[in-house]
Amino acid sequence: ETGVTQTPRHLVMGMTNKKSLKCEQHLGHNAMYWYKQSAKKPLELMFVYNFKEQTENNSVPSRFSPECPNSSHLFLHLHTLQPEDSALYLCASSQEQGNQETQYFGPGTRLLVL
Amino acid sequence: GQNIDQPTEMTATEGAIVQINCTYQTSGFNGLFWYQQHAGEAPTFLSYNVLDGLEEKGRFSSFLSRSKGYSYLLLKELQMKDSASYLCAVRDSNYQLIWGAGTKLIIKP
Repeated sequence: ETGVTQTPRHLVMGMTNKKSLKCEQHLGHNAMYWYKQSAKKPLELMFVYNFKEQTENNSVPSRFSPECPNSSHLFLHLHTLQPEDSALYLCASSQEQGNQETQYFGPGTRLLVL
Repeated sequence: GQNIDQPTEMTATEGAIVQINCTYQTSGFNGLFWYQQHAGEAPTFLSYNVLDGLEEKGRFSSFLSRSKGYSYLLLKELQMKDSASYLCAVRDSNYQLIWGAGTKLIIKP
């Protein structure tokens, strides 16, 4: 299944670095999501875009900055991260936000902040 | 608050049957999902229940009781490749997905 791709798959960065995560979906969907997955914790929804408009921002620190230039692409810009931000960052897409749409996930970016 | 509970880890034997339970307390209900996630990979959709009862899909079945706030995922004829984490998620009244922490299933020969 290559409907949702993410790059890079692994990333190590220092607390002063700036990096970006990229997500692309090839499913013709209109909603895209960023999640944080930490070990033994539930998935945490970070941001939601529906038809390129941000519709959810779940109290995410400003050191995480999303960008959605079109319905197929989603970025997560990272700067001055903290070690506790180390986690798996998952991108997902669905036909639209809401209703009973199934979300389809990318493989994630494993981030380590030193 | 909203909460999804599922066991942290379960162990089962190849060829056997295992049932993974999920209980939920959410503000409203608009469906329950089960996802499978192999280590280092994307969660993949397994099943969706919105009405009470059993949904069967090959070796996997999912059951829902809305009055009890309860679901289970039943895996039959277990194979080694079924070793993975199984995530339960409920869509609430605002159509937000509320996720459980996942159940790590270990299959032994």
